[in-house]
Amino acid sequence: AQSVAQPEDQVNVAEGNPLTVKCTYSVSGNPYLFWYVQYPNRGLQFLLKYITGDNLVKGSYGFEAEFNKSQTSFHLKKPSALVSDSALYFCAVRDPYGNNRLAFGKGNQVVVIP
Amino acid sequence: GAGVSQSPRYKVAKRGQDVALRCDPISGHVSLFWYQQALGQGPEFLTYFQNEAQLDKSGLPSDRFFAERPEGSVSTLKIQRTQQEDSAVYLCASSLEVRPVANTEAFFGQGTRLTVV
Repeated sequence: AQSVAQPEDQVNVAEGNPLTVKCTYSVSGNPYLFWYVQYPNRGLQFLLKYITGDNLVKGSYGFEAEFNKSQTSFHLKKPSALVSDSALYFCAVRDPYGNNRLAFGKGNQVVVIP
Repeated sequence: GAGVSQSPRYKVAKRGQDVALRCDPISGHVSLFWYQQALGQGPEFLTYFQNEAQLDKSGLPSDRFFAERPEGSVSTLKIQRTQQEDSAVYLCASSLEVRPVANTEAFFGQGTRLTVV
């Protein structure tokens, strides 16, 4: 079965510093990887995806993610964090053999400190 | 509409009560998913529709959970005889693609927060 792991519970970073949220995956076949963000009392908002091609994927709000096949990782990054980036971040993998359902990690709470 | 719309946003139900949660997907989206998100957890898959056909209901936790999408657009998730463990946020998502294409993202609604007391 496809799965992702987000090893950290909370990520604290000072405003203006680089932000990294970690994700590792386990899939059979080609990975289809996604990052979503969830603000309080809001639904999940799509940030970016990796399907194929360049290992560095650029997404919304200045976020990017690096796909690393040898390390089975898909870490989310932002060069300079904003206070407004404080939210819950979910990594997900799509299961093309399971009706394209998404399997989510447990999420990481990001706190950007002013 | 512009996005996926879910109603109600909040629902408080007494234990044993039946509830119905509604999802209006993005117009023209073929695929529709329901997920359950418990407090502090990531969303968990419940069921999947392709147009009006429910192709996968393997994630429904019990036979008290039932979902339908009779005309291939609006979907309703029904929970009968609610129990406290059903308390969660129920998320609906839609996407344009059909199998086997898997490279389009799913768009999520804001969810319905169900509290069973």
